[in-house]
Amino acid sequence: QKEVEQDPGPLSVPEGAIVSLNCTYSNSAFQYFMWYRQYSRKGPELLMYTYSSGNKEDGRFTAQVDKSSKYISLFIRDSQPSDSATYLCAMSFPGGSYIPTFGRGTSLIVHP
Amino acid sequence: GAGVSQSPRYKVAKRGQDVALRCDPISGHVSLFWYQQALGQGPEFLTYFQNEAQLDKSGLPSDRFFAERPEGSVSTLKIQRTQQEDSAVYLCASSLDFQGQNSPLHFGNGTRLTVT
Repeated sequence: QKEVEQDPGPLSVPEGAIVSLNCTYSNSAFQYFMWYRQYSRKGPELLMYTYSSGNKEDGRFTAQVDKSSKYISLFIRDSQPSDSATYLCAMSFPGGSYIPTFGRGTSLIVHP
Repeated sequence: GAGVSQSPRYKVAKRGQDVALRCDPISGHVSLFWYQQALGQGPEFLTYFQNEAQLDKSGLPSDRFFAERPEGSVSTLKIQRTQQEDSAVYLCASSLDFQGQNSPLHFGNGTRLTVT
């Protein structure tokens, strides 16, 4: 079992839908949680970075962390075709030199 | 430059050949990371530098893989005697702070290595 589990999808939604992307993890030492977006043939780019449990909002994006359940989510409101990409969750902990461990990514397709 | 630059973008190597992949991090960034991303998978950690010191190389899959950052800026990942299973995208990332704490990783667009 990998430390970070993420459904690869693809997840296909109509434009304007609310998207929910999720990851589970097994290592309770993880303290920092990140969501990256990766377009085809590009490197990942950071979308959200959270430390504690709870919600963090940035524009159309909301990141949610539930440490007790070892479960994190990314919500995208009013999804756009330009949101079509692979979304990678990542997490790290101080004992691991903050080196992020990534999930395998979920492919999202937003169709007009 | 404005971002992390990797070269070449694409590399085709015959099995058994040696390859060298280059990463130019963002100027002033202390930390530098190498990741390997297989098709349909997430990035897998290979190695980490803080300035010129290689602090973690636990992810290097075999002794055929070697990385260096001699002057604390540009880094090179070398793969000797390439095998087909080495085919992947090799991503380089840099971050400003010590050990990446509270500092996001900025990724390059990767080098896509195909071993034939």
